[in-house]
Amino acid sequence: EAGVAQSPRYKIIEKRQSVAFWCNPISGHATLYWYQQILGQGPKLLIQFQNNGVVDDSQLPKDRFSAERLKGVDSTLKIQPAKLEDSAVYLCASSYGARETEAFFGQGTRLTVV
Amino acid sequence: GENVEQHPSTLSVQEGDSAVIKCTYSDSASNYFPWYKQELGKGPQLIIDIRSNVGEKKDQRIAVTLNKTAKHFSLHITETQPEDSAVYFCSYDKIIFGKGTRLHILP
Repeated sequence: EAGVAQSPRYKIIEKRQSVAFWCNPISGHATLYWYQQILGQGPKLLIQFQNNGVVDDSQLPKDRFSAERLKGVDSTLKIQPAKLEDSAVYLCASSYGARETEAFFGQGTRLTVV
Repeated sequence: GENVEQHPSTLSVQEGDSAVIKCTYSDSASNYFPWYKQELGKGPQLIIDIRSNVGEKKDQRIAVTLNKTAKHFSLHITETQPEDSAVYFCSYDKIIFGKGTRLHILP
């Protein structure tokens, strides 16, 4: 079974530029999550999708971050404009159901904003 | 809102000894408490999870205990091996994660 695929693996941009991350979840998984993991901390949930609808985006900085899940499968997370404090690993995860089900994580995209 | 506190932040144990990591949480709505292991450059990987209808769950050398009344749950790793060296995170239903425990297994 293929795992959660993310791209790119690494990205370096200057502040005020824009960047996009892509995620392909495990086939058949209805729930998709985006997390931000700052160095030395645990993952922080940014947004949760159930199929192509948003379940929770309470911690997404909506003035600069946006996310969409096309046709309930792939998802993109965008930052525009980027700030220095956005430097982090962005993790995508998927699960078959919403609550109380195992989440499978991708390897993440390491973003460095200079 | 929900909050999860994890202790210790760093733990060094001799190979073959046991390691215990503890987490406490503030909310009571969730019934699902997973533990993840993260190795350098990789995403977190589920190692064990527990639901609130049980107090303890074991999978070979790994066990988790849950006390819903006291709002805490713990990860126990017995007979530690070098490959257990990693960062471990507790979680409240994948929504909130602890800050992590860096486990070092000493030869």
